Amino acid sequence: EAGVAQSPRYKIIEKRQSVAFWCNPISGHATLYWYQQILGQGPKLLIQFQNNGVVDDSQLPKDRFSAERLKGVDSTLKIQPAKLEDSAVYLCASSLRLAGPRYTQYFGPGTRLTVL
Amino acid sequence: GNSVTQMEGPVTLSEEAFLTINCTYTATGYPSLFWYVQYPGEGLQLLLKATKADDKGSNKGFEATYRKETTSFHLEKGSVQVSDSAVYFCALGTGNQFYFGTGTSLTVIP
Repeated sequence: EAGVAQSPRYKIIEKRQSVAFWCNPISGHATLYWYQQILGQGPKLLIQFQNNGVVDDSQLPKDRFSAERLKGVDSTLKIQPAKLEDSAVYLCASSLRLAGPRYTQYFGPGTRLTVL
Repeated sequence: GNSVTQMEGPVTLSEEAFLTINCTYTATGYPSLFWYVQYPGEGLQLLLKATKADDKGSNKGFEATYRKETTSFHLEKGSVQVSDSAVYFCALGTGNQFYFGTGTSLTVIP
């Protein structure tokens, strides 16, 4: 079974530029999550989708971050414009269902973003 | 609010030593508790979980018991191997929210 795929693996941009990350979850997984992991910290949940609908985006800085999952499969996370403090690893995860902790989350390898 | 406090690292142990990584939590309601592991160059993987008080999660020789009275979920392994070298994250899930600790880096030397 293929795991969660993410691209690119690494990205370096200047501040105020835009960047987008892509995630393809495990086939059949209805729930998709985006996390931000700043160096030395644990992952922080930014947004979660159930199929193509947003379940929770309370931690997403909506003035600069946006995410979509138009067909209920793959998803993109965008930052526009980027700030220095956005330097982090962006993790995508998926689970079979939305039921809180009942269903195991499977994580992708992450995209490491460096903002200069 | 909800949060997880994890033992700071890094931790260095000799092979076959006993491992404990402490994790305590603050939560409203009845959370589920998790340990995730991140091996070098790889993504986070679920190591074990417990969904209610007094449950014991176990996998690959690792164990953790959900202690409601002490709000703890300490990770233990009786005899570590070099292949256990990784970063370990304690996490809490409640409702649709998940909260991770800061991670503890473990290095096991032969």
